[in-house]
Amino acid sequence: AQRVTQPEKLLSVFKGAPVELKCNYSYSGSPELFWYVQYSRQRLQLLLRHISRESIKGFTADLNKGETSFHLKKPFAQEEDSAMYYCALSGKAAGNKLTFGGGTRVLVKP
Amino acid sequence: GAVVSQHPSWVICKSGTSVKIECRSLDFQATTMFWYRQFPKQSLMLMATSNEGSKATYEQGVEKDKFLINHASLTLSTLTVTSAHPEDSSFYICSAINRLAGVHEQYFGPGTRLTVT
Repeated sequence: AQRVTQPEKLLSVFKGAPVELKCNYSYSGSPELFWYVQYSRQRLQLLLRHISRESIKGFTADLNKGETSFHLKKPFAQEEDSAMYYCALSGKAAGNKLTFGGGTRVLVKP
Repeated sequence: GAVVSQHPSWVICKSGTSVKIECRSLDFQATTMFWYRQFPKQSLMLMATSNEGSKATYEQGVEKDKFLINHASLTLSTLTVTSAHPEDSSFYICSAINRLAGVHEQYFGPGTRLTVT
């Protein structure tokens, strides 16, 4: 069975401080990992995926297969980063279905 | 591009009635659509996978006779909550896969809030 764990429900940081959202997963096979973001009153949207190895809005995430983690990081948080963040996992073995973590609410204070 | 819409955005219905929610891919063809349910302050839970022209695949614990899914075309899937009860009140979200994208990225609709009184 595939599972995604986000241990922090809430992260509160000051503007300009680094922020790291933890994500751990369990999956037998080669997973695809994603981070989705949901801003207030907006739909869920893809932030980044591990296969792209890209940086979006200053966020990066590295897949660590040894630690089965896909933590999301940003060195300098901005107020507009305040949102709900979901780590998600997909894989061919699961028919490309997404399994979401519980979500982490990020609050960036001025 | 890759926009998914849902209709209605919110609906209130009485217990025992049925309500239909539509999910449309506006500018792409979606071979597969997914239906999720989200309770307040909780994560998305996959309810079912809807494939165009075939029966939906339901996740364990989801009653297929209660949550009827129809995916009649490559741009439309519907979820009908039959004989709704207050415990069915939730936020229902659909997503669609663009088969031309090649990476199976899911595009999400804005969600439909259902309140059963």
